[in-house]
Amino acid sequence: KAGVTQTPRYLIKTRGQQVTLSCSPISGHRSVSWYQQTPGQGLQFLFEYFSETQRNKGNFPGRFSGRQFSNSRSEMNVSTLELGDSALYLCASSSGQVNTEAFFGQGTRLTVV
Amino acid sequence: DAKTTQPPSMDCAEGRAANLPCNHSTISGNEYVYWYRQIHSQGPQYIIHGLKNNETNEMASLIITEDRKSSTLILPHATLRDTAVYYCIVRVPEYNNNDMRFGAGTRLTVKP
Repeated sequence: KAGVTQTPRYLIKTRGQQVTLSCSPISGHRSVSWYQQTPGQGLQFLFEYFSETQRNKGNFPGRFSGRQFSNSRSEMNVSTLELGDSALYLCASSSGQVNTEAFFGQGTRLTVV
Repeated sequence: DAKTTQPPSMDCAEGRAANLPCNHSTISGNEYVYWYRQIHSQGPQYIIHGLKNNETNEMASLIITEDRKSSTLILPHATLRDTAVYYCIVRVPEYNNNDMRFGAGTRLTVKP
């Protein structure tokens, strides 16, 4: 069974640009969550999607957005990139059953210059 | 979700048991204790979770105190590949909620 796939693995963008990251969950999983990891702030929850609906959102500005498609694949978008957006962006998928674990992808390393 | 407190770092000799403590004194009755670990620059990996009974799987054992205010993750025979940051998270696993609040974790270093 394939794991969680995130693309691209590495990305370099310029300040002011926008970026779209992709996450393909484990087959059959309906929930996808996104996290940002930086050395200073650690792992922080961005948002969660379940059956194409955002169910929960962390404390991030509106420049961070996401969506989920009918096949459960998810994308997150960051507009007007700032230097502080440089981070490892992680996606996690879960089955939809109560009391189960989340499986994380390898992440996308975004560098904003 | 209840807050957790973990030591920032620990060392363990290869082949010995690694005991990683977690304090969650404000845990409520329906919150579970989850453990994840993150090996350098990889995504976090699920290890184990439990409510009040001790749990064991192929990776580790989880010991939760009777009052549920603290727990210990035990890696019975640590190897160099167990060197990672270990996160203890307390949460209510309702439906499929993947909103996990990670703390700073414990950086475990397994030494030869």
